[in-house]
Amino acid sequence: QVQLVESGGGLVKPGGSLRLSCAASGFTFSDYYMSWIRQAPGKGLEWVSYISSSGTNIYYADSVKGRFTISRDNAKNSLYLQMNSLRAEDTAVYYCAREASSGWYIFDYWGQGTLVTVSS
Amino acid sequence: QLVLTQSPSASASLGASVKLTCTLSSGHSNYAIAWHQQQPEKGPRYLMKLNSDGSHSKGDGIPDRFSGSTSGAERYLSISSLQSEDEADYYCQSWGTGIRVFGGGTKLTVL
Repeated sequence: QVQLVESGGGLVKPGGSLRLSCAASGFTFSDYYMSWIRQAPGKGLEWVSYISSSGTNIYYADSVKGRFTISRDNAKNSLYLQMNSLRAEDTAVYYCAREASSGWYIFDYWGQGTLVTVSS
Repeated sequence: QLVLTQSPSASASLGASVKLTCTLSSGHSNYAIAWHQQQPEKGPRYLMKLNSDGSHSKGDGIPDRFSGSTSGAERYLSISSLQSEDEADYYCQSWGTGIRVFGGGTKLTVL
């Protein structure tokens, strides 16, 4: 069965950095686009970034552009999010999600999330 | 730009039916979407994909009580025979080149 397990969250000071990981299993990871989505406390879902199956195409939400970097290692079935220059407003649960295939860029499997808290 | 609009809240009685709405912004009425459910204190779960012609396909293990439909720029999620575990936030989601978009979510209360 498809599993996505995030890790790497924690408490970090404003201006600091953190690297999130997402370990994938139960499917051919290299065949799928992947995304990071976040949810601030008490708020809705916000898409952060996606990466194509080969890693060639990468896009970011304006709110994180220039500060966050998405990457993947298909040999390790892993997705990453490097977060730099963190701000209080980046505080959220971060989810990795698989994007369905065949031209449907919807999230058909989600991880359980990892909490990032940016506070002094 | 692509915007998805949802009512913030909805309510219905146990055993009744409810229809949630997601409205696509002008110029995007032919877009497909997905519906996701987020129960309290849990991560989101994919419910179904819904095409502009009303055809839909559900995710693994999603009960028959959940269905989708379309009218113009509106995309609907219908839930019949409401159960207590259906009390959750429901999000619609779509996409464009270089972007993925969520609606603001609808909080469903089962009375």
